[in-house]
Amino acid sequence: GAVVSQHPSRVICKSGTSVKIECRSLDFQATTMFWYRQFPKQSLMLMATSNEGSKATYEQGVEKDKFLINHASLTLSTLTVTSAHPEDSSFYICSARRGVREKLFFGSGTQLSVL
Amino acid sequence: AQKITQTQPGMFVQEKEAVTLDCTYDTSDPSYGLFWYKQPSSGEMIFLIYQGSYDQQNATEGRYSLNFQKARKSANLVISASQLGDSAMYFCAMREGYSGGSNYKLTFGKGTLLTVNP
Repeated sequence: GAVVSQHPSRVICKSGTSVKIECRSLDFQATTMFWYRQFPKQSLMLMATSNEGSKATYEQGVEKDKFLINHASLTLSTLTVTSAHPEDSSFYICSARRGVREKLFFGSGTQLSVL
Repeated sequence: AQKITQTQPGMFVQEKEAVTLDCTYDTSDPSYGLFWYKQPSSGEMIFLIYQGSYDQQNATEGRYSLNFQKARKSANLVISASQLGDSAMYFCAMREGYSGGSNYKLTFGKGTLLTVNP
């Protein structure tokens, strides 16, 4: 079964509103979670690395004030798309690392559509 | 230069036959890991197989095997006895550096869309 839960799976919102996406590790503690963005028929692009109890590390070109990441506990990271615009429409997917040498487990993704 | 190159945008295979999906990588780090993920139309990323740079043998996981040729910097995925449910996007990814390090992130290729025909 899934070890990383992502919610919601799909969201449609109006331009200018904010949207929060949750990523939970279900049966393990994830000190580090990762947020990716994927455009249609494109690869996954890492947006930021979320560390529990500290500020997220953003990749070059990703606006940290636009994409707010909070990793308040060892099992939950949230991505908030603030003042969403149509160009923010995309598939967002999180992943979590279980243990030092473990592979990444991915959530099922969130399809965001901004009208 | 791209770190992960998947040269096949799309591949077709007949059911029950084997198929090889290509992946080449570029890194100067002696320690790295290579991954293959499957992404069906539902969007989730499903881990298939992992190969560490220091692993002596090619990784195998059921019908999946990784043809690791270190000198050529290639990590091709071989799927044996293809099934209709194997139709999906397949991504090759690389982690550079020590697996226990704090800077653990994956770089993905552009993917290959595999279609299995009945």
